[in-house]
Amino acid sequence: DIQMTQSPSTLSASVGDRVTITCRASQNINSWLAWYQQKPGKAPKLLIYKASSLENGVPSRFSGSGSGTEFTLTINSLQPDDFATYYCLQHTTYALTFGGGTKVEIK
Amino acid sequence: EVQLVESGGALVQPGGSLRLSCAASGLTLRDQHMDWFRQAPGKGLEWVGRSRNKPNSYTTEYVASVKGRFTISRDEPKDLMYLQMNSLKTEDTAVYYCARAITADGGGDHWGQGVLVTVSS
Repeated sequence: DIQMTQSPSTLSASVGDRVTITCRASQNINSWLAWYQQKPGKAPKLLIYKASSLENGVPSRFSGSGSGTEFTLTINSLQPDDFATYYCLQHTTYALTFGGGTKVEIK
Repeated sequence: EVQLVESGGALVQPGGSLRLSCAASGLTLRDQHMDWFRQAPGKGLEWVGRSRNKPNSYTTEYVASVKGRFTISRDEPKDLMYLQMNSLKTEDTAVYYCARAITADGGGDHWGQGVLVTVSS
């Protein structure tokens, strides 16, 4: 299985900060990577697909980049609603695999 | 508006069986590739398995840890999807989600609210 290493596991930030989360794949996954946001007790919400495409309705302060094995999710000007846990997901091959998650906390 | 709804969660003893259902409104399940995911309490997300759509004969894929114990099936007349879970282990305790599968053609965008399965004696 492809291993997805996500960092950091926890991130403390303030409203207005620029935040970057990284996912590294154990082998080439081209651009078959998605980013999800999850809040406690809720289902994950798709933010980014195909590494850099913004899902409909997602604010433009979210952006994704990368290809191959290195990917980043950037949140520009962090908003109160953005404090949540973020996961990357590779879907280039079975089994689909997630990164371990990054919890974005209020500083 | 698309809505996915899981049902069937329960407390079950180790070695027992349980069947989860996934129903949809706003889309036709038989036209969709669908995934099951799970999340153990306080842990991250895990993909459980996939059921491809009707044109792809509802073929399935599973994560190694559930292969041979879990089966994804469809009820075409009722347009439902099921996750049959047998030989349940304590480590299968999790919230289970059905979702529209994310593929090269899109998806990944609609998830159910999740249903809790607790495996405990």
